[in-house]
Amino acid sequence: DAGVIQSPRHEVTEMGQEVTLRCKPISGHDYLFWYRQTMMRGLELLIYFNNNVPIDDSGMPEDRFSAKMPNASFSTLKIQPSEPRDSAVYFCASSTSTGVNIQYFGAGTRLSVL
Amino acid sequence: AQSVTQLGSHVSVSEGALVLLRCNYSSSVPPYLFWYVQYPNQGLQLLLKYTSAATLVKGINGFEAEFKKSETSFHLTKPSAHMSDAAEYFCAVRMDSNYQLIWGAGTKLIIKP
Repeated sequence: DAGVIQSPRHEVTEMGQEVTLRCKPISGHDYLFWYRQTMMRGLELLIYFNNNVPIDDSGMPEDRFSAKMPNASFSTLKIQPSEPRDSAVYFCASSTSTGVNIQYFGAGTRLSVL
Repeated sequence: AQSVTQLGSHVSVSEGALVLLRCNYSSSVPPYLFWYVQYPNQGLQLLLKYTSAATLVKGINGFEAEFKKSETSFHLTKPSAHMSDAAEYFCAVRMDSNYQLIWGAGTKLIIKP
């Protein structure tokens, strides 16, 4: 299995621009999680989906952030407009709803907003 | 609310020495517990998990952790540190009620030659 695939690995953009991060979960996994990691705040859960439906988006920092999961094999996290304080590493993780529900992480997208 | 505390944001040990990374959780119900490891510029990967079976859990790379309900602890140990163990380690808890993980702040393990 290829694991969780995130793209791009690195993104550099200017303040005010729209940024779209992409994630392909492991096939057969029905939970998908978006996290943000910064030095100051550590690992934060932004939103998670079950069967493509958003379950909890209470971690989304503000309306500039949105996430979608149009099908079981693809999800996006969009920031519009981006700000320098959005600079972080964004991780996507997926898991099944059976057993222990181990979360498998992608390699992350390092976002720099100038 | 459930919380996870990792004592020490940085732990430094000499190569060959014992590694001990501490994790305490707050819960009245035995949860699922996890240790994840993050190597530089990589995502998190599962090191080991506790699922209410044996209280001593063995993971990858020689790590193990012991669940102690009376102390609400799940400390991670390795008898002999190796340079390749240098990474950040995260403790996490999952409750029965949902599929979210509650994460500790992470402990960066530094190995001195």
